[in-house]
Amino acid sequence: DQQVKQNSPSLSVQEGRISILNCDYTNSMFDYFLWYKKYPAEGPTFLISISSIKDKNEDGRFTVFLNKSAKHLSLHIVPSQPGDSAVYFCAASSNNNDMRFGAGTRLTVKP
Amino acid sequence: DAGVIQSPRHEVTEMGQEVTLRCKPISGHNSLFWYRQTMMRGLELLIYFNNNVPIDDSGMPEDRFSAKMPNASFSTLKIQPSEPRDSAVYFCASSYRALNTEAFFGQGTRLTVV
Repeated sequence: DQQVKQNSPSLSVQEGRISILNCDYTNSMFDYFLWYKKYPAEGPTFLISISSIKDKNEDGRFTVFLNKSAKHLSLHIVPSQPGDSAVYFCAASSNNNDMRFGAGTRLTVKP
Repeated sequence: DAGVIQSPRHEVTEMGQEVTLRCKPISGHNSLFWYRQTMMRGLELLIYFNNNVPIDDSGMPEDRFSAKMPNASFSTLKIQPSEPRDSAVYFCASSYRALNTEAFFGQGTRLTVV
């Protein structure tokens, strides 16, 4: 079963605008959430994370929001840049054990 | 550190043949994960190890798949016999099993079964 879901397979935004990528999860035991970025022919690389005790974590242009009651998290990128074009994966883990990923969202930032 | 090292980068094999994918985790990491990337399901967790011990292999699709971790610096994922539907990119990742740490991925092995 898919415990982590990314329902939008793709997203296209204009350079300089905000990109919002969404993720939903079903397992209430998840307590740590991560976003990874993946370029073609490369492995995913860690981008940003958030613990379940927080509802927001910011790192430069990237902010992750967590809504535990809705079992939803989102990644905001502002301003978006063409170099941000990649596939973004949402991931979740519980008690630092397994790490489950979503299907990914392909972001395209147009110049 | 060179990061997580996977070999081979590409593998083309005929249906029915045995395939072995290899992974060297980052030194000092004590958790290792095997994932398969597909279009429909994204990154599927196949199996993960803590301190070389398999913890959860419920993601392994069939008995044709097996994974071992004989020591802290090496793991294999074997498919025997391979089938065309096994064609995918297989990733290995490692982490230090502590509170709230990310996993680091290798560059993956692209497997094509013809």
